[in-house]
Amino acid sequence: GNSVTQMEGPVTLSEEAFLTINCTYTATGYPSLFWYVQYPGEGLQLLLKATKADDKGSNKGFEATYRKETTSFHLEKGSVQVSDSAVYFCALTPYNNNDMRFGAGTRLTVKP
Amino acid sequence: NAGVTQTPKFRVLKTGQSMTLLCAQDMNHEYMYWYRQDPGMGLRLIHYSVGEGTTAKGEVPDGYNVSRLKKQNFLLGLESAAPSQTSVYFCASSSRDSHPYEQYFGPGTRLTVT
Repeated sequence: GNSVTQMEGPVTLSEEAFLTINCTYTATGYPSLFWYVQYPGEGLQLLLKATKADDKGSNKGFEATYRKETTSFHLEKGSVQVSDSAVYFCALTPYNNNDMRFGAGTRLTVKP
Repeated sequence: NAGVTQTPKFRVLKTGQSMTLLCAQDMNHEYMYWYRQDPGMGLRLIHYSVGEGTTAKGEVPDGYNVSRLKKQNFLLGLESAAPSQTSVYFCASSSRDSHPYEQYFGPGTRLTVT
């Protein structure tokens, strides 16, 4: 079945450090891939998405590239800020299907 | 523009009690979903609906029922609450016309069953 595996946290970084959160997936066909972010006490917000191989999603300085050969969608940011502290979820939906599957989430804490 | 709202925000139940969670969206979305979020497990789909009057089971439907009598509302019911249903519940919605099916989430309901 379809599933997402993301790196376990928590991740603690200093401000301006480089961030990578790994995400790999298992799916048939060509799923769409997403990163959602959850700030404390809030619901999930879409951070970025990609719908086909080699697509790069980007938003607020975050980037992720859809790599079909490695079935990965790693999240990166060149210089994190304290305000980026949140839980990040990788997710997928199969092609033409709204059955979204989420990873377990990775908690990021950025210290000043 | 409220987006997706959930009522209540917090609730404590005793084992065996029943309750209904209400989700409302004002984006005219066709699809609506109920998820539960547990530590270390991400979000898991409980039930979903692709339109008014239709519902379907998700990954973890046991112990829950749902109804979609109006397009903008999606109700999640617990008939006899159990401690295993202690969780944070999220409602989401998406448009049939969007690709991919980007989901918009409510703020969540924290439920504790004692």
